[in-house]
Amino acid sequence: GESVGLHLPTLSVQEGDNSIINCAYSNSASDYFIWYKQESGKGPQFIIDIRSNMDKRQGQRVTVLLNKTVKHLSLQIAATQPGDSAVYFCAERPISSNTGKLIFGQGTTLQVKP
Amino acid sequence: DSGVTQTPKHLITATGQRVTLRCSPRSGDLSVYWYQQSLDQGLQFLIQYYNGEERAKGNILERFSAQQFPDLHSELNLSSLELGDSALYFCASSVGGSNYGYTFGSGTRLTVV
Repeated sequence: GESVGLHLPTLSVQEGDNSIINCAYSNSASDYFIWYKQESGKGPQFIIDIRSNMDKRQGQRVTVLLNKTVKHLSLQIAATQPGDSAVYFCAERPISSNTGKLIFGQGTTLQVKP
Repeated sequence: DSGVTQTPKHLITATGQRVTLRCSPRSGDLSVYWYQQSLDQGLQFLIQYYNGEERAKGNILERFSAQQFPDLHSELNLSSLELGDSALYFCASSVGGSNYGYTFGSGTRLTVV
């Protein structure tokens, strides 16, 4: 299944399928991007990050793709499990900021059907 | 347990009141960040402190203030509370001042009635 982030805030997938969550970021000068997972009642949890000099990075069952031309970020989750059900946020760090400030997207809810 | 401790977990207070939220960063982290999460605004950056000094400021209201103490814990003070201040308030910490990625606490849920 696939979402377009801001336009489809909820993504529902079958357990075992691959999930793709999309995010359109705002600042072409951002140099660092992160995906966070937030489960109900908890704080955001780091999943994977990518710097602007890369276009792909892989982790365990997750892959982040960065397309700077169209300012688009995606998170791919392989073999989605019920424990992946959560809200997923993309975040960007503006390069002009010599701080740790992050700008978060609105989030996409991932629902995994057993 | 992320290592970032926030207290209290829940807070209910009346309009016009003042509250203080507390955050203890992970051991070794020098930066503390505060974020507000409401249903219609998502996660909004409020302020960052690094080793006791203010490092960055976001869209933090004048009624809100924060500080980081010598032991590196931080407090976020919210005064003259309004109904619209009801939200989740998260603290996060990182080692450096402009670190890549950081660790969030579990948040304080503030309800203003």
